[in-house]
Amino acid sequence: DTGVSQNPRHKITKRGQNVTFRCDPISEHNRLYWYRQTLGQGPEFLTYFQNEAQLEKSRLLSDRFSAERPKGSFSTLEIQRTEQGDSAMYLCASSNPRGGNQPQHFGDGTRLSIL
Amino acid sequence: QQQVKQSPQSLIVQKGGISIINCAYENTAFDYFPWYQQFPGKGPALLIAIRPDVSEKKEGRFTISFNKSAKQFSLHIMDSQPGDSATYFCAASTSFGNEKLTFGTGTRLTIIP
Repeated sequence: DTGVSQNPRHKITKRGQNVTFRCDPISEHNRLYWYRQTLGQGPEFLTYFQNEAQLEKSRLLSDRFSAERPKGSFSTLEIQRTEQGDSAMYLCASSNPRGGNQPQHFGDGTRLSIL
Repeated sequence: QQQVKQSPQSLIVQKGGISIINCAYENTAFDYFPWYQQFPGKGPALLIAIRPDVSEKKEGRFTISFNKSAKQFSLHIMDSQPGDSATYFCAASTSFGNEKLTFGTGTRLTIIP
């Protein structure tokens, strides 16, 4: 399978704990995006990377959230001191904008449940 | 601020019929309009996309109609099949899709026999 891979698929944690998700993009895709999707809503943009550089962060990304892409390949999204409102599906997408517009390909997400 | 409005919220269509989902946008800087299909427990998968220099794009049973002056676009699914039952999202982006996507709120489509 050469698609976008996200781990874990499901994470259950208690309020106040820290969690980290991982995204492995499609090989040679230099753009990587994080989105959050709550039940019954469309995905909302959180942040994106061009190689290892974080180019844009949404206002949704509070100071409890941090994302990294240290070597321009996989990315991690960490949430510190989780809150009930953080319960959502966290989606990762990747694309390769070289050569014109290229679609964003999504992984199957990590579903976060806060107890 | 919701920049892409999608309707209807849910839609039931008989097998073989035409499913139509509509979206409207506000930001005139948008220049790339994809439609994604999402099944339960899965991530969104790209169906078809259009740029504003054309008014219609067709791929198989799926057609996007685009009205730049009205800032509206729609997805038509011809000969709808039970396997098309899913949630559909319209989206919009600048830089021909090389920037963040702004999604609509989704349409839950159910195809009945």
